[in-house]
Amino acid sequence: QVQLVQSGAEVKNPGASVKVSCKASGYTFSSYSITWVRQAPGQGLEWMGWISGYTGDTNFAQKLQGRVTMTTDTSTGTAYMELRSLRSDDTAMYFCAREGGAHPYADYWGQGTLVTVSS
Amino acid sequence: DIQMTQSPSSLSASVGDRVTITCRASQSIGSYLNWYQQKPGKAPNLLIFAASTLQSGVPSRFSGSGSGTDFTLTITSLQPVDFATYYCQQSYNSKWTFGQGTKVEIK
Repeated sequence: QVQLVQSGAEVKNPGASVKVSCKASGYTFSSYSITWVRQAPGQGLEWMGWISGYTGDTNFAQKLQGRVTMTTDTSTGTAYMELRSLRSDDTAMYFCAREGGAHPYADYWGQGTLVTVSS
Repeated sequence: DIQMTQSPSSLSASVGDRVTITCRASQSIGSYLNWYQQKPGKAPNLLIFAASTLQSGVPSRFSGSGSGTDFTLTITSLQPVDFATYYCQQSYNSKWTFGQGTKVEIK
């Protein structure tokens, strides 16, 4: 069965970086893209960007351009999201999800990784 | 960016009620519209994709309709497990956007 398992919670100081992993299993990793979505406490869902599992091409939300990097390791079926220059408003639950379909959608999700930015 | 606006932001309903949530896009998105359900502390769960196609395993009391700019999610007979927050999401262009969410609460 398809599973996405994310790395554990992180606490970071303002200005630091965080790297979250998302290990996929149960499907051919290179056949799908991975999308990243975050959710600040008590708020809605915010799309961050995606990375192709085949080409490594990326596409980011405008507001995160320059601070976010997404990579994959196809040998282990793992996707990574790194966010730099962290601010307090980056405190959120970060989700990875598999992107599929001709009308793209996120059909399988990781369990989420809580990133807390606090001094 | 394409803006997605849901209404209402919250609603109170009873078990067995018919519930309708609407989602409006700031420009035409064809049928590139998906719906998700999220319960507290959990990841979102895909309910409907391509505006009206039910995801495998989702109960048939959920349905979606619409195209262009106006879309609807309907729950025909609300069940206790359906109390959650619902989000629409467009994938018309490569930069996805979500609606702000609709919280369905118990009356």
